[in-house]
Amino acid sequence: QSALTQPASVSGSPGQSITISCTGTGSDIGSYNFVSWYQHHPGKAPKLIIYEVNKRPSGVSNRFSGSISGYTASLTISGLQSEDEADYYCCSYAGSTTSGGFGGGTKLTVL
Amino acid sequence: QLQLQESGPGLVKSSETLSLTCTVSGDSIATKGYFWGWIRQPPGKGLEWIGTIYYSGSTYYNPSLKSRVTLSVDTSTNHFSLRVSSVTAADTAVYYCARSRSKAWWELLYWGQGTLVTVSS
Repeated sequence: QSALTQPASVSGSPGQSITISCTGTGSDIGSYNFVSWYQHHPGKAPKLIIYEVNKRPSGVSNRFSGSISGYTASLTISGLQSEDEADYYCCSYAGSTTSGGFGGGTKLTVL
Repeated sequence: QLQLQESGPGLVKSSETLSLTCTVSGDSIATKGYFWGWIRQPPGKGLEWIGTIYYSGSTYYNPSLKSRVTLSVDTSTNHFSLRVSSVTAADTAVYYCARSRSKAWWELLYWGQGTLVTVSS
């Protein structure tokens, strides 16, 4: 399982935009446009909010967007709301039978 | 509406085998193109992918856990299962089962609520 690196925490005020980075390697993010992001509120089930770098499952707010540059994927949340306060995890396909696993997670605090 | 529900003992003794079942309702586990996975979260830590199985029995495992993990699927009862052998305190976690969004087995769209398993000495 590859190691995807995320910042431990980010914060922002309501209405602002924040970006969470996810850095991988040439074996995962650098080779495949199969990055996904999950939102996880403590005590609840994780929720898929982005797949294939920048696509949103039905029902997910368009305030969530994704992008990729080289070995780094990013999740941007615009118009920050209090309910966005959660942990966010990136994940990348790493070829054949191996998932890239999850990044270490980023705790988003809405000030 | 697809629903997944984890079940199994909440307390397992160290060195024994942890066994969990995920019961699927709202769809057949044998529906082609969807994969079924297990993920866990130790207290205070992040998510960890354990493994994924297809209804045919094909499996994908986290290399770091592969030697101790067995996944199985039972299409007749619409559930799939996880076994982790030789458990230690490090296996204490909330265990989630999930289904993929599509054939992209690494993208997990539907999740169970999770079940806490504590390994005791």
